[in-house]
Amino acid sequence: EAQVTQNPRYLITVTGKKLTVTCSQNMNHEYMSWYRQDPGLGLRQIYYSMNVEVTDKGDVPEGYKVSRKEKRNFPLILESPSPNQTSLYFCASSLEGGGLAGGVPGNEQFFGPGTRLTVL
Amino acid sequence: GQNIDQPTEMTATEGAIVQINCTYQTSGFNGLFWYQQHAGEAPTFLSYNVLDGLEEKGRFSSFLSRSKGYSYLLLKELQMKDSASYLCAVYQAGTALIFGKGTTLSVSS
Repeated sequence: EAQVTQNPRYLITVTGKKLTVTCSQNMNHEYMSWYRQDPGLGLRQIYYSMNVEVTDKGDVPEGYKVSRKEKRNFPLILESPSPNQTSLYFCASSLEGGGLAGGVPGNEQFFGPGTRLTVL
Repeated sequence: GQNIDQPTEMTATEGAIVQINCTYQTSGFNGLFWYQQHAGEAPTFLSYNVLDGLEEKGRFSSFLSRSKGYSYLLLKELQMKDSASYLCAVYQAGTALIFGKGTTLSVSS
């Protein structure tokens, strides 16, 4: 089944304790992205990656790191989490390249199920 | 700057038609998406417009006017399961998908 998976789905941690949220896709997508979603603020992009070893900052990158060593994986790293990083996090992937692929826009993003993070 | 505006909330009754508007001002434009998101779940794709005009897909249609920076999502024959948030997002090639804050639609019987 084509999907984007995230782990963990739920996490409660404390300030300053490094954590990693994993994201994996099995659709051979080039583009991957991380978002956070907060009430009243909508979805905001944290980082994105156009391909392996290529990453760029989104709108709210402060306090986060990412890496893209393999095409399928795009982990999100919080080196020193703080309470303002309590949020719902989504990973997403797409073919990129624009145009249509099999009738579906190549840039349609498929989202993972989300990770609810609480930093105390 | 980048700005995407949608109404925060809308209400409608089963069987009715509702139109959710989205206006955008972005530095680039390579298409506009509508996503549906039920509470606590991931967004799911509804429609994509890159050229002006109406795209119809079953009960859902989406319209785009690039010159006006305007789109709408039209939902017909509303059902209770259509109660969700609807996200308008502008795609900028090679960079980002910029989302509006979403419109929460409540459908009542």
